[in-house]
Amino acid sequence: EIVLTQSPGTLSLSPGERASLSCRASQTISSTYLAWYQQKPGQAPRLVIYGASSRATGIPDRFSGSGSGTDFTLTISRLEPEDFAVYYCQQYGSSPLTFGGGTKVEIK
Amino acid sequence: EVQLVESGGGLVQPGGSLRLSCAASGFTFDDYAMHWVRQAPGKGLEWVSGISWNSGSIGSADSVKGRFTISRDNSKNSLYLQINSLRPEDTAFYYCAKGSGTGPYGSGTYYSRFDLWGRGTLVTVSS
Repeated sequence: EIVLTQSPGTLSLSPGERASLSCRASQTISSTYLAWYQQKPGQAPRLVIYGASSRATGIPDRFSGSGSGTDFTLTISRLEPEDFAVYYCQQYGSSPLTFGGGTKVEIK
Repeated sequence: EVQLVESGGGLVQPGGSLRLSCAASGFTFDDYAMHWVRQAPGKGLEWVSGISWNSGSIGSADSVKGRFTISRDNSKNSLYLQINSLRPEDTAFYYCAKGSGTGPYGSGTYYSRFDLWGRGTLVTVSS
């Protein structure tokens, strides 16, 4: 099983600041099969990034993804109030499909 | 409207069973793999099980193998999860999710990301 470790657990930032979220895999993943999701309280998750760096439909360009191998990053260039949420990475190149433990981006 | 609507959750005693359903609308259901993902209250996401468009490829998490069975009925645009031998640690919101993209073994498998989610149904296992 591929274990995804996300860091930090919580990121306290102000609107307008840059957020960098890390996802580290226990084994090499093809970047094709790495996705990021956003989840707000009381809501279902929403796909943000797929293929490590492609934005999903309707996702603003302040969101970007990068990385390869075992290290991947989600970057939010300038935080908007609606971006404060929990973010999960997920791999779907190997079964079982797995998620990271999540990073909470909270308002400082 | 493109949506997924789960039903069938509730309070059940340890050792009991439930059948969750997911009704899909607004897209061609039998073109896509489908999945169940769960989330214990206040915890992270856990993939439970996935099924390819034609039910020819099925996978499950080790934590549910032998107890949970995923199935689909393309004629009814519906996804199901039969959950047996329930344990307190199965308490969670269960989300239905539509697969998107192609995994490493081609389009006929369940390997996918999730581009549409339902709102979830809560399963509580308690005596």
